[in-house]
Amino acid sequence: SYVLTQPPSVSVAPGQTARITCGENNLGSESVHWYQQKPGQAPVLVVYDDNDRPSGIPERFSGSHSGNTATLTISRVEAGDEADYYCQVWDISGDCVFGTGTKVTVL
Amino acid sequence: QVQLVQSGAEVKKPGSSVKVSCKASGGTFNSYTISWVRQAPGQGLEWMGRIIPILGIANYPQKFQGRVTLTADKSTTTAYMELSSLRFEDTAVYYCARASTMAAQPFDYWGQGTLVTVSS
Repeated sequence: SYVLTQPPSVSVAPGQTARITCGENNLGSESVHWYQQKPGQAPVLVVYDDNDRPSGIPERFSGSHSGNTATLTISRVEAGDEADYYCQVWDISGDCVFGTGTKVTVL
Repeated sequence: QVQLVQSGAEVKKPGSSVKVSCKASGGTFNSYTISWVRQAPGQGLEWMGRIIPILGIANYPQKFQGRVTLTADKSTTTAYMELSSLRFEDTAVYYCARASTMAAQPFDYWGQGTLVTVSS
């Protein structure tokens, strides 16, 4: 199993764009999923299979996967987007790996 | 709608065991896997293993092999996670989460979490 590195924190002003990276160039071709977790709550899936959104998730949330890095992009950030975000993959041995997590702060 | 409802908070002594339940409703229990994920205070998410209820087969990451046992009761659509030889560092919120049986699927539904506190 390997470590999926994310930046510990990202700060963004309301209305601006937040970008959270996952992998730091050690990600393979695995599908990447992203979760949002607010304090005291269970994680919620916001992007799956690199760039698909579950129903009910705003279009402001999007994902990409290029080379060895995946990115979650939150456009037109709102105060309610303040949360921790985790990427996740299934590795080649069938184990689940979570990223180290990123705290998004809305200024 | 799909719901995963977990059992209540537990306080356990070091060296003992804890068993947490996760009752699924609103979906087809046998079409999914149930994973267990824990989160220590102020820390990230850590995967503990998963079970395929229709087969009763579980797999665990190396870290938890021998200390975690996952089971599932198809008749009550309930999954269980038992963690033995508890240590102070096992204090965490434990979540169950559902994923399709197909490969590399995301966790689309999560339980509300169960706080397990290990204290002497």
